[in-house]
Amino acid sequence: ETGVTQSPTHLIKTRGQQVTLRCSSQSGHNTVSWYQQALGQGPQFIFQYYREEENGRGNFPPRFSGLQFPNYSSELNVNALELDDSALYLCASSLSGGTYEQYFGPGTRLTVT
Amino acid sequence: AQRVTQPEKLLSVFKGAPVELKCNYSYSGSPELFWYVQYSRQRLQLLLRHISRESIKGFTADLNKGETSFHLKKPFAQEEDSAMYYCALSFFGNEKLTFGTGTRLTIIP
Repeated sequence: ETGVTQSPTHLIKTRGQQVTLRCSSQSGHNTVSWYQQALGQGPQFIFQYYREEENGRGNFPPRFSGLQFPNYSSELNVNALELDDSALYLCASSLSGGTYEQYFGPGTRLTVT
Repeated sequence: AQRVTQPEKLLSVFKGAPVELKCNYSYSGSPELFWYVQYSRQRLQLLLRHISRESIKGFTADLNKGETSFHLKKPFAQEEDSAMYYCALSFFGNEKLTFGTGTRLTIIP
């Protein structure tokens, strides 16, 4: 069974640029959730995708957007990067049903300068 | 809106001593409560959830709806328990997790 993978591991962007982060869900999982973890904070829910549709969104502006593909992998896109977007971005996959465990990836560390 | 509070950022406990990591929540309804753990250089992983009522690695947590708490306890701390612990909640039918800010537990040999 393959675990959740994320790419890239680290990246550095300049304010105003756009970034795409990628996530491969665990085998058999059809739901992907994205979280932002700022330094010293717990993860904050960005949004969730289920069968290629957005299925819930946290308190993040529209410049945070996502996609889920037929193989259930997912992308997180952030436009017009701001310094406060610097954080660890976590992806978690699960099998939809409301009571299933979420399995987290190792995260992508984004630094905006 | 739901909120999870972990009042201790740092907690140091001697090996063999009891451990209690505090978690309080605010939510109107019937939440599902979790404890997640992150060991050094490892990814975030589920430690336990209240509906399963399991004891994992010697840890237990009881949901107290009157006090809106879900404290994590272990009677005898071990060095391998040193990690970052996050309390989280969701509500049934929705897998969005709301996390607390975490407690870094250090076990002193």
